[in-house]
Amino acid sequence: NAGVTQTPKFQVLKTGQSMTLQCAQDMNHEYMSWYRQDPGMGLRLIHYSVGAGITDQGEVPNGYNVSRSTTEDFPLRLLSAAPSQTSVYFCATQFVDTQYFGPGTRLTVL
Amino acid sequence: GEDVEQSLFLSVREGDSSVINCTYTDSSSTYLYWYKQEPGAGLQLLTYIFSNMDMKQDQRLTVLLNKKDKHLSLRIADTQTGDSAIYFCAEGSGGYGQNFVFGPGTRLSVLP
Repeated sequence: NAGVTQTPKFQVLKTGQSMTLQCAQDMNHEYMSWYRQDPGMGLRLIHYSVGAGITDQGEVPNGYNVSRSTTEDFPLRLLSAAPSQTSVYFCATQFVDTQYFGPGTRLTVL
Repeated sequence: GEDVEQSLFLSVREGDSSVINCTYTDSSSTYLYWYKQEPGAGLQLLTYIFSNMDMKQDQRLTVLLNKKDKHLSLRIADTQTGDSAIYFCAEGSGGYGQNFVFGPGTRLSVLP
């Protein structure tokens, strides 16, 4: 069981570039979410999904898109990267009342 | 909106007890969580407590909840260097993760 996996671990982008952060899980959890972690601010919810084909916005969705075509995968797309999106991004699943986090992707936008 | 606050830093000597404090504002919180984040890793659930409990003990960890004051604490007994990490308090009102609110995290440094 790999749990929640994220790729890449590190990424550097230039302003205006686009990219997709990958998230996969093998626990068959319906609920998945994306957070960003910034120093001194805890985790903030970007988007979430309660099952395949269903997504919704969290607290800070601007500049990000998601889709959920399968239970296993929940990619996060940055359409036009901005320096304000420099952060560490975590994907998580939830089962009952417990969340399970991936190892994170550290993104730097120059 | 809901808010969760923690002090950002704590230093303790190896072998001492650590107490990490957290305050929250949402009185409808059903669960209160403590997560641990080691360098370069994701968040790992340490323990959680239901809002109708006062205390929960799990080996070296003791969680105390004062619901009246909306104050949560995590005590780590006999703190070891491996306990050095960032500890996040979070509240959940039940249901899915969109109802979770995380604190900013407390960086615990354990000195030899």
